[in-house]
Amino acid sequence: ETGVTQSPTHLIKTRGQQVTLRCSSQSGHNTVSWYQQALGQGPQFIFQYYREEENGRGNFPPRFSGLQFPNYSSELNVNALELDDSALYLCASSLTPGLSGANVLTFGAGSRLTVL
Amino acid sequence: AQKITQTQPGMFVQEKEAVTLDCTYDTSDPSYGLFWYKQPSSGEMIFLIYQGSYDQQNATEGRYSLNFQKARKSANLVISASQLGDSAMYFCAMREDTGRRALTFGSGTRLQVQP
Repeated sequence: ETGVTQSPTHLIKTRGQQVTLRCSSQSGHNTVSWYQQALGQGPQFIFQYYREEENGRGNFPPRFSGLQFPNYSSELNVNALELDDSALYLCASSLTPGLSGANVLTFGAGSRLTVL
Repeated sequence: AQKITQTQPGMFVQEKEAVTLDCTYDTSDPSYGLFWYKQPSSGEMIFLIYQGSYDQQNATEGRYSLNFQKARKSANLVISASQLGDSAMYFCAMREDTGRRALTFGSGTRLQVQP
């Protein structure tokens, strides 16, 4: 069983540019969540995708958007990059949207974005 | 308002000893879940243990146990017989039933196991 894979692992962008991060969910998982982890902090929930639709969103502006594809993989898009967007972006998949002891988030290793 | 508080930015423990990582939480939801994750330097978050708010017994998973004190709103992680490979960041997280989709994480504790 393959885990969650993310690409790219590292990237550098300049302020104002746009970025797309990609995520393949763990086999058998139909739900994907994205988290932003700034340096020295815990992850913060961006949004969740289920059945190709956004199924919950954290306190992030609309320039953060996403997609989920029929094979359950997902993309995170960030427009008009700001310096504060520099962070580790973690993708996580789960069996279903509702989290519990029997349905935990399985995380990828993340994409580290640096905005200059 | 911060809902998960981890007051220990860093902890040291000798190999083979036990260590407790503190976590307190705040919620008005009677139904919630508490998770602990480990984050090595590689970046991925690794699930360790879960405690549901209605669970009568403290959760255990191998060398990990969760000291759940509901009245105090604390969910401390206990790692027994520490190993060098336990050196990592540890995050406490909560899921509230009003928003079952997301976890709220604390700021983490960096654990260093010394030989």
